[in-house]
Amino acid sequence: DSGVTQTPKHLITATGQRVTLRCSPRSGDLSVYWYQQSLDQGLQFLIQYYNGEERAKGNILERFSAQQFPDLHSELNLSSLELGDSALYFCASSVRGSGANVLTFGAGSRLTVL
Amino acid sequence: DAKTTQPNSMESNEEEPVHLPCNHSTISGTDYIHWYRQLPSQGPEYVIHGLTSNVNNRMASLAIAEDRKSSTLILHRATLRDAAVYYCILRDGRRNFGNEKLTFGTGTRLTIIP
Repeated sequence: DSGVTQTPKHLITATGQRVTLRCSPRSGDLSVYWYQQSLDQGLQFLIQYYNGEERAKGNILERFSAQQFPDLHSELNLSSLELGDSALYFCASSVRGSGANVLTFGAGSRLTVL
Repeated sequence: DAKTTQPNSMESNEEEPVHLPCNHSTISGTDYIHWYRQLPSQGPEYVIHGLTSNVNNRMASLAIAEDRKSSTLILHRATLRDAAVYYCILRDGRRNFGNEKLTFGTGTRLTIIP
């Protein structure tokens, strides 16, 4: 157990639907990062939050949004789902974002869009 | 981001040492060298990191070239559980707003032969 909790572990839904993925960071960590990993792509950075504020954005689609709440948990919302959104979604956390600090990853949420 | 170059794949025999190379010829003076690994169906896992000096921890050793343009991750005695994709990543050590994420390349897929 890494200390980063992601729910749900598995999710199957249909095209056009909307889902929410949840992440609880490791205790004491202020930064949360979201990554997407599909079969034909590597780990793609989506977005980062630090203490409730958006810190950096990667290749996140407009149909996707995220937020970090006062208790530091984060949610990734995926809407108007397409077949290509099927992927593993990982959340990671760190104390702060400097280069010496390490990221701790959760076990991931596997999304299947049918 | 400064880039790293790793072999796509490597094989090693069980219970023998493994040396995983990484080239980073454009590394800057403030870049830390991080190694993560991803076991099958799991989230990435921190292995080790360093700046200039060689580093050891319970998982591995990191040997950094004197000019810092290359590094080697050393697994002293590989087991079947070490079969994973290993990622070498450079991370700016300065607290750089908006540039704190990890950027994953394709990594090296390590296969352990029983």
